Amino acid sequence: QQQVKQSPQSLIVQKGGISIINCAYENTAFDYFPWYQQFPGKGPALLIAIRPDVSEKKEGRFTISFNKSAKQFSLHIMDSQPGDSATYFCAATYSGNTPLVFGKGTRLSVIA
Amino acid sequence: EPEVTQTPSHQVTQMGQEVILRCVPISNHLYFYWYRQILGQKVEFLVSFYNNEISEKSEIFDDQFSVERPDGSNFTLKIRSTKLEDSAMYFCASGSGRVSEQFFGPGTRLTVL
Repeated sequence: QQQVKQSPQSLIVQKGGISIINCAYENTAFDYFPWYQQFPGKGPALLIAIRPDVSEKKEGRFTISFNKSAKQFSLHIMDSQPGDSATYFCAATYSGNTPLVFGKGTRLSVIA
Repeated sequence: EPEVTQTPSHQVTQMGQEVILRCVPISNHLYFYWYRQILGQKVEFLVSFYNNEISEKSEIFDDQFSVERPDGSNFTLKIRSTKLEDSAMYFCASGSGRVSEQFFGPGTRLTVL
């Protein structure tokens, strides 16, 4: 019940296209859902996060869509660029600064 | 912009040796975490630390592991007797307590031979 399932494992997108990564969770007590971007040899960097009281959050080219009833959330990267090529992790946690539960990651490659 | 720093960036050790991984969290943060990532796998939680004590730990964090905040800035992870399977990237993270955000350091790559 602590798992966060992430798909796809890898994704290749043309430059300018939309990248979509999906995550599903089981524990309805989770109430904070961040996405992290990780470049090789670096630590995960917080990209964008959402709470279940909203269905969508947008920051620049990055959008999280949240479906509380389906217990799913997704990351959309609009106008994908080669510099977006990285591994993306979804995560979930409860309020109160509890540990993050990570998905297995999606390796995104944006090709020109 | 404030960031979490970690030293060393790479540590090579022999099986059975003790290692200490060091972290300097963001200065006004109150919550501290260690996570690890085995090559090609997901990030896994090890331990969280608040108010000078462990607040939560995972099954991975057994008696071989310990954490300490020896002064007002450093946060350390000690592995008493390393095993081959401890080889991984170890990430320190910190949070202010506001909206559950956690910020990660660049990691220490631990290689146990």
